[in-house]
Amino acid sequence: QKEVEQNSGPLSVPEGAIASLNCTYSDRGSQSFFWYRQYSGKSPELIMSIYSNGDKEDGRFTAQLNKASQYVSLLIRDSQPSDSATYLCAVGGEGDYKLSFGAGTTVTVRA
Amino acid sequence: DVKVTQSSRYLVKRTGEKVFLECVQDMDHENMFWYRQDPGLGLRLIYFSYDVKMKEKGDIPEGYSVSREKKERFSLILESASTNQTSMYLCASSPRGLAGPETQYFGPGTRLLVL
Repeated sequence: QKEVEQNSGPLSVPEGAIASLNCTYSDRGSQSFFWYRQYSGKSPELIMSIYSNGDKEDGRFTAQLNKASQYVSLLIRDSQPSDSATYLCAVGGEGDYKLSFGAGTTVTVRA
Repeated sequence: DVKVTQSSRYLVKRTGEKVFLECVQDMDHENMFWYRQDPGLGLRLIYFSYDVKMKEKGDIPEGYSVSREKKERFSLILESASTNQTSMYLCASSPRGLAGPETQYFGPGTRLLVL
């Protein structure tokens, strides 16, 4: 069983601050990495995908990947109340069809 | 835009009933998945399919079966519903990746209550 661990929440940040979410994975052969956002009662929606070591930025979101440390993170800059949700980390291995999901970290942005 | 639709948003069934959950995607994706999501347990893979008529067990297949007769449609069947199958059921689809799994796109979910 490939394991994906996320930092336990809930994570509470003030509006305008940076929210930092962490994810580690057990399979060193993992090739693809995704962050999903899930609002309460809704289905997950993709925020970011990352495949190479380094940083990838998209608006207020930055994903960081370090394959040597088996670590992927998501930074949310200038956090807004609308960012309050559960964030799921998902990891995929080479030649695999499926993703392994972490349990999620719930973020609450305080106005 | 990728669209994944599920036949029902909410469903109430009685113990022992046969339950069909339907999922349709419109992006010609090869891969389709069924998950259940329960508080504190995260997303758990029930079954997936990488081609028409092909299926593979996920992490928790017991009590479920699936059918994929057409590329765009993937059905989840609860042969005899039990109360411990009360859950949120999520369908997802993804294209076949060249080197590994690609992004999965999720449907809106079906919240099933078994009485």
